[in-house]
Amino acid sequence: SQTIHQWPATLVQPVGSPLSLECTVEGTSNPNLYWYRQAAGRGLQLLFYSVGIGQISSEVPQNLSASRPQDRQFILSSKKLLLSDSGFYLCAWSVAGHWNTEAFFGQGTRLTVV
Amino acid sequence: AQKVTQAQTEISVVEKEDVTLDCVYETRDTTYYLFWYKQPPSGELVFLIRRNSFDEQNEISGRYSWNFQKSTSSFNFTITASQVVDSAVYFCALRDQAGTALIFGKGTTLSVSS
Repeated sequence: SQTIHQWPATLVQPVGSPLSLECTVEGTSNPNLYWYRQAAGRGLQLLFYSVGIGQISSEVPQNLSASRPQDRQFILSSKKLLLSDSGFYLCAWSVAGHWNTEAFFGQGTRLTVV
Repeated sequence: AQKVTQAQTEISVVEKEDVTLDCVYETRDTTYYLFWYKQPPSGELVFLIRRNSFDEQNEISGRYSWNFQKSTSSFNFTITASQVVDSAVYFCALRDQAGTALIFGKGTTLSVSS
C-alpha cells in the first residue's frame, strides 16, 4: 500500500533562517506531488506541484521554492524565512496521468517563524 | 476560473443532531470532480468522497451523505446523528480538466459537544 511521510512534524525557526521540509512517498511510482500551505482562516493554498523529477510548477510567487531530486521525494525550501511563512504545510500525492483522482496527504509540518 | 466556497466558517452542534455542511463551486468545465476531506485535530487530511460531474446521485455511507446538485453548483455534506468524534475541519475541493491540482474551499470547523 502507498504511504506518505513528511517531516518534521513541528518546527520553530527564526526570521531569516533557511528552511527545508521533506516529503517521501512509498508504494507507488511517478506520483504527482504537491505542497499546500494552510494558514489560519485561509483554507488550503496550493504552492507547488510536480509531475516528474525536476519538473516543478509554482502556483503562487513567494519566498519558497520546491525541488524533486528523486521520483518519490519532494522538498520545500526557503533561503530566508519571513514571519508570513508561518503555517501548516502539507505534502500530498496523487496517481500520475489521472487528473480526476483524489490526493493523499501527509501528516503536515507546523512551521512557526519567530 | 475554479473556485470553491464554504460559507460556513464554524458550526457547533450537540451530539445526535444532524448537520449539513455547504459547498458551492465554480468551474467552466463540464467535466470535473468534487471531493470532501476531513481534517481532525491531528492535522492530516482524510479523504472522504469523490464525485464526478456526470453522476448526480446522492450517496450515503453510514452516517454520512452527500447531495450533489449541478443546477445550483452545490455539493453538500450531511452528518446524521453527529458524534463528538466528528469534530474536525471539513474541506470541499474541486478539480477540473484545466486544473493542475485540487482547489480547496476555506473549510468549515465542526464542533460536536456531548
